Order: sequence, then C-alpha cells, then structure tokens
Amino acid sequence: SAVISQKPSRDICQRGTSLTIQCQVDSQVTMMFWYRQQPGQSLTLIATANQGSEATYESGFVIDKFPISRPNLTFSTLTVSNMSPEDSSIYLCSPRVACTDTQYFGPGTRLTVL
Amino acid sequence: GDSVTQMEGPVTLSEEAFLTINCTYTATGYPSLFWYVQYPGEGLQLLLKATKADDKGSNKGFEATYRKETTSFHLEKGSVQVSDSAVYFCALSDRGGSARQLTFGSGTQLTVLP
Repeated sequence: SAVISQKPSRDICQRGTSLTIQCQVDSQVTMMFWYRQQPGQSLTLIATANQGSEATYESGFVIDKFPISRPNLTFSTLTVSNMSPEDSSIYLCSPRVACTDTQYFGPGTRLTVL
Repeated sequence: GDSVTQMEGPVTLSEEAFLTINCTYTATGYPSLFWYVQYPGEGLQLLLKATKADDKGSNKGFEATYRKETTSFHLEKGSVQVSDSAVYFCALSDRGGSARQLTFGSGTQLTVLP
C-alpha cells in the first residue's frame, strides 16, 4: 500500500477566498484523482491528473474553480477558488500507484466555508 | 454509464448480529469491485476487493463475492462488533476505461450497539 498525506487536514475559510490542498505520496503515481465528499454524501470525482499534462475535469467541475497542479510523480495540489459555503466538503486525493489496480485514498481535507 | 446501487441506510444492529449490505452494479466492461470503509472522522480505507467473477474478497471478518450473473457484490459479516460502526461504500473500477477511476455507491451508515 501507499502512504498518502494531505495538508491541511481541515480548515475554516471565508467566502471569496481560496485554499490550496496538498497531496504527497511515498510512491510514484501514474494518475492522481481528486474527489469531493459533500456532507452526508458519497464521493464525486472532480478531476484526473497526469503528470506533465492538463487535468481532465468531470461534468460540473471547471479548471478555473478547481485548478490542479502535478509537478512530479509523488505530489499534487488542488485549489478551491473563490469559495462559497456550497464548497464545504471533504476533499480527497486518490493516487493510482504504479503496477497496482487498487485505489488508495488520502486522509482527506475537511473544508468549511463560512 | 457505470453505476453502483447500494442498500440505503442507516443500518442499526446489535453486537454479534449478522450483517448484509447489498450492492449491485451496472458496467459496460469487466469491472473490479471494491468495498471501502470510512470510520468516524477518518478517511476512506479499502476493506476488500474482487477483480473477476466468482472471486471472494475478505478482510477483518467481512466477505463479498463477485456475482456476475446477478451483477452484485454484497458485503457480509457473521458477527459485527461495535468497532465496525462506520460508513461502507461499494465501488467499481471499469477496466475498459482508460482512467479507471472509481464509481461509488451512496454509502451505508452502520451503527452497532453494545
């Protein structure tokens, strides 16, 4: 299995501000998935990021709102821009570790927007 | 598209009771199937998985069998404990897709009473 860390673990932010969430993995990652889990809901895929190319966003999510960086094979960031209370969720990174078919998840970042 | 339908919760059981959480799926290819667990205040953890028809995944006393004929992957445990209280998510990864991201069910909240 992979060791995955996310920073921050939680944050409380004001409307209109932005937050960047970091995801660090101890193994090389072929793909990085970013998910959102709204209160009491299941997980929804935001985007898929390959190293060296632009992320692919799911329906309902756009790059201007959720820009993603993937500077190397073990690190990625997701920014939640111009936040509103509707963005209050848990955000999880999920790396696809090379040579495995199992998806692991980071511990999540619990975001509350006031 | 792919979808996962999970038994609605919440489910409340007494300690040592038998647990079944139903999960059925729709997929165009030959998916891998997973059960993830989310304990209170924690991130998502892989509980068990099965990658082909008739495979049985097992872990921590939980079992699930990949039934292609009924497109099901029901989670079972013979005797639940208070520490099993968590939210359980059924998920699939369709190997026909290039990204192979996970599609999740809605989650089932399990509470085990002493």
